Amino acid sequence: EVQLVESGGGLVQPGRSLRLSCAASGFTFDDYAMHWVRQAPGKGLEWVSGISWNSGSIGYADSVKGRFTISRDNAKNSLYLQMNSLRAEDTALYYCARTCGGDCPVPNAFDIWGQGTMVTVSS
Amino acid sequence: QSALTQPASVSGSPGQSITISCTGTSSDVGGYNYVSWYQQHPGKAPKLMIYEVSNRPSGVPDRFSGSKSGNTASLTISGLQAEDEADYYCSSYTSSSTSWVFGGGTKLTVL
Repeated sequence: EVQLVESGGGLVQPGRSLRLSCAASGFTFDDYAMHWVRQAPGKGLEWVSGISWNSGSIGYADSVKGRFTISRDNAKNSLYLQMNSLRAEDTALYYCARTCGGDCPVPNAFDIWGQGTMVTVSS
Repeated sequence: QSALTQPASVSGSPGQSITISCTGTSSDVGGYNYVSWYQQHPGKAPKLMIYEVSNRPSGVPDRFSGSKSGNTASLTISGLQAEDEADYYCSSYTSSSTSWVFGGGTKLTVL
C-alpha cells in the first residue's frame, strides 16, 4: 500500500524549533519530489516547501523562507522539515505529499497525502 | 506567492451540476497546464480529483471534470450527490519562486 506517515508534531513555544518527519512506503521514494503542505485550523491549504528527487531543487513559501529547512534521505525513504524560530501563525496541520514530473502515471499533482501531524505554537 | 482565487461557497441540489472557478495569473494557471483539484472532507486529508487541468486519476467518477481558459480554471461536478459535499481546492505550479500555490478553497453544499 502506498503510504505517507508524518510524525514529530506537538506543542512548542514561540521561537523554539521542531523537526517533522514523513515516512514513505509502498512506492519508489526517489522517483518523486516531496512537499510539505500545511492547513491552519479552519483555513485552507498552503504549500510550505518542496524538494526534488535528488535534493537538487528546493523551494519555500515566502512565509517560511529562512526559518524552515526541507531535506530528504532516500536511503531511509524519509522526508524532513526542520522548523526554527516558530511563530503562532505556524500553527497548523502539516501534511507531506508527493509529486512527479511528466513520465509517471499522475504527473504534476499532489497525488498521495499523509494524514498530517499537528504543530501548535503557543506559550 | 498569492493564493489562487476561488469562490468561498457554492451549492446545488442532488442531480444538478455546479462549477467552481479558480483564477490566477499568467505566472501560474495561465502559464502552465499543471492545474489540479482536491476534495477534502472534514477531518480528512485532501484527495486528488483532477490533474493537469482535465485528467482524472483512476477511481475518480467521470462526474468530475476540469477545464481551463486563460488564467481561470474550472471544476465541474455533474449529477451532484450527497457525498460530494466537501471543500474543494485548486492548485497550480507557479514560476514565482518555482513553487506551487493553492486556492483559498470552496465549500460545496449539497442542498
